[in-house]
Amino acid sequence: GAGVSQTPSNKVTEKGKYVELRCDPISGHTALYWYRQSLGQGPEFLIYFQGTGAADDSGLPNDRFFAVRPEGSVSTLKIQRTERGDSAVYLCASSKVPLGQGAGTEAFFGQGTRLTVV
Amino acid sequence: AQRVTQPEKLLSVFKGAPVELKCNYSYSGSPELFWYVQYSRQRLQLLLRHISRESIKGFTADLNKGETSFHLKKPFAQEEDSAMYYCALRGGGNKLTFGTGTQLKVEL
Repeated sequence: GAGVSQTPSNKVTEKGKYVELRCDPISGHTALYWYRQSLGQGPEFLIYFQGTGAADDSGLPNDRFFAVRPEGSVSTLKIQRTERGDSAVYLCASSKVPLGQGAGTEAFFGQGTRLTVV
Repeated sequence: AQRVTQPEKLLSVFKGAPVELKCNYSYSGSPELFWYVQYSRQRLQLLLRHISRESIKGFTADLNKGETSFHLKKPFAQEEDSAMYYCALRGGGNKLTFGTGTQLKVEL
């Protein structure tokens, strides 16, 4: 089957605008994660969903960032009043069960959305 | 707090030479350690994890709790090993903390 799908693959927006980034996890995966990867850095955790609820949003940098997963499948990361510092690759990952459950649990990553704020 | 350090941004080796990608971590409890790999124009994918104690594509990594290290090794580098490698740690929760990555370049 298909892996984790993220759309769009590239997004260019003007400073101050609102953007939405979409993630389609692998079917049946209950856990979904968002990460942000800035140039020259490793992925940094933003938020984790178990089902429909955000179980850990400790990585969201400020209140301009928000994410939802209303039906426990597709998730949308929303960024308000974008700033140039928000430019990065936004990665989504999913796993069948949360990473902390089961020794063999693996997180599968999408290709990412490259966001450029000009 | 949990932290992963990969001291080398770039590692260049010749084909057939041994490879060691360094990873050190900081975590007060018992972590789960992973190596992820990203080949050119492909998505990030799991290479191996310490609890599996297996060899994948000839790579192995041993968790050394005394030195808080999880170095990735391969005895003979192949051209297809050229990629970006990230070390990652899972502490008590469900998130991964990644290092900054090491670009491995295998030259002919």
